[in-house]
Amino acid sequence: GAVVSQHPSWVICKSGTSVKIECRSLDFQATTMFWYRQFPKQSLMLMATSNEGSKATYEQGVEKDKFLINHASLTLSTLTVTSAHPEDSSFYICSVALGGRGYTFGSGTRLTVV
Amino acid sequence: KQEVTQIPAALSVPEGENLVLNCSFTDSAIYNLQWFRQDPGKGLTSLLLIQSSQREQTSGRLNASLDKSSGRSTLYIAASQPGDSATYLCAVNSGSARQLTFGSGTQLTVLP
Repeated sequence: GAVVSQHPSWVICKSGTSVKIECRSLDFQATTMFWYRQFPKQSLMLMATSNEGSKATYEQGVEKDKFLINHASLTLSTLTVTSAHPEDSSFYICSVALGGRGYTFGSGTRLTVV
Repeated sequence: KQEVTQIPAALSVPEGENLVLNCSFTDSAIYNLQWFRQDPGKGLTSLLLIQSSQREQTSGRLNASLDKSSGRSTLYIAASQPGDSATYLCAVNSGSARQLTFGSGTQLTVLP
C-alpha cells in the first residue's frame, strides 16, 4: 500500500515562532493531501485540503494565514504553523487519498508550544 | 452535513473474547467507509475499507460490515488479544468534496 512519511514526529517551539511540518507520499503521486488536527481524547478534525499546484481549501474556522499549506509537488505537502501559540499545541496528521482505495495517513506530528 | 457516531466510547474485555464495535452515520450517500486503528500518540493504520457497493470485508480476525441503507457499520474482532488494545476509528467518505468524516472512536482495552 501507499506510504506517507510525516516529519517531524514531535516538535517543541517557543511561542511566537513558526513550525513547518512535512508530509511526503513516498510511492504514490498525490494530487490531493489532507491536513487534520487532533486534540487529546478527541477525534480527527479536517483543517484543510491541499491541492497540488493550487491554493489549499480551508475548513470553516481554520485561519489560512495561521496555517500555511504548500503543495508544490505530487509527493510533498507542508503545513506551517505561523506565530505559534500554546493553544496551537496539538497532534497534526496528514493524509493522502488513494483514489478509490481509501486513505492512508502519516504518523503524525506532536506540536508543543511553550 | 455527515455525522458519524461510534459506540461504545470505551470498552474493556478479557483476552479471547469476541467483540463488536459500532459506527453509525447520518447520510447514507457514501462512497466508502474505512476503519482505522490508532495507538496512543501515533498516526492511523487502515484496517478495512468497504466500498458503498459492498456488504462486508474481512482481514484476519477482523470483519467489517456495512448496511448503507440504515447508516451502520460494525467492526467485529474475533479472539481478542492484548495487542488489539488501541482506539478504533470509523471514517465515512461522502459529499461532493469526498471528505472523510470521523467518529469519535472506541477505546479498546484487552486485558491479559
